Amino acid sequence: DIQMTQSPSTLSVSVGDTITITCRASQRINNWLAWYQQKPGNAPKLLIYKASTLETGVTSRFSGSGSGTEFTLTISSLQPDDFATYYCQQGLTFGGGTKVEIK
Amino acid sequence: QVTLRESGPALVKPTQTLTLTCTFSGFSFSISGMGVSWMRQSPGKALEWLALIDWDNDKYYSPSLKTRLTISKDASKNQVVLTMTNMDPADTATYYCARRDKLLFNAFDIWGQGTMVTVSS
Repeated sequence: DIQMTQSPSTLSVSVGDTITITCRASQRINNWLAWYQQKPGNAPKLLIYKASTLETGVTSRFSGSGSGTEFTLTISSLQPDDFATYYCQQGLTFGGGTKVEIK
Repeated sequence: QVTLRESGPALVKPTQTLTLTCTFSGFSFSISGMGVSWMRQSPGKALEWLALIDWDNDKYYSPSLKTRLTISKDASKNQVVLTMTNMDPADTATYYCARRDKLLFNAFDIWGQGTMVTVSS
């Protein structure tokens, strides 16, 4: 089974920062990788699919890239609404999550 | 508008069987590429994928839970049912169903609000 490893597990940042979250696959995968945002008490929300395609309605401050075994989610100019936990997903496997918290 | 809603018991006893229903609207299983999946999330933990059923009735299960899970669909009722046998306190979690659209490269684009299930005697 493919394992998806996210890093870091926690990010302490400030409003206005630009951050990058990494998701590594245990073996080469196609670019069928998605990113989700989850806020406490809410279901996950799809942000990006096919590694870099922004879901409709998602702000362009979110971007995704990568191929092979390493993928990244970048959030530019972090806003208060962006403080949440982010998950990558490939196939039927989720990463362990990255919590973005206020410094 | 696509919506999904989970329903089921909030409390089950250890060793009992859990039955959860996902009722959806705004899409159909008659469309090639559509699927509905179940995930769960224990308090403070990461998302865990459980099972998926496709438009053509193909079914997929988490390897670690395969022996305890059954997923089925009733396309006429727009429902997907997940059963999990031999429930344990470790299965206490919020259970989500979500649509999987192959056009979105297997991403889960629409999620239900989730239903919290507590396993306790």
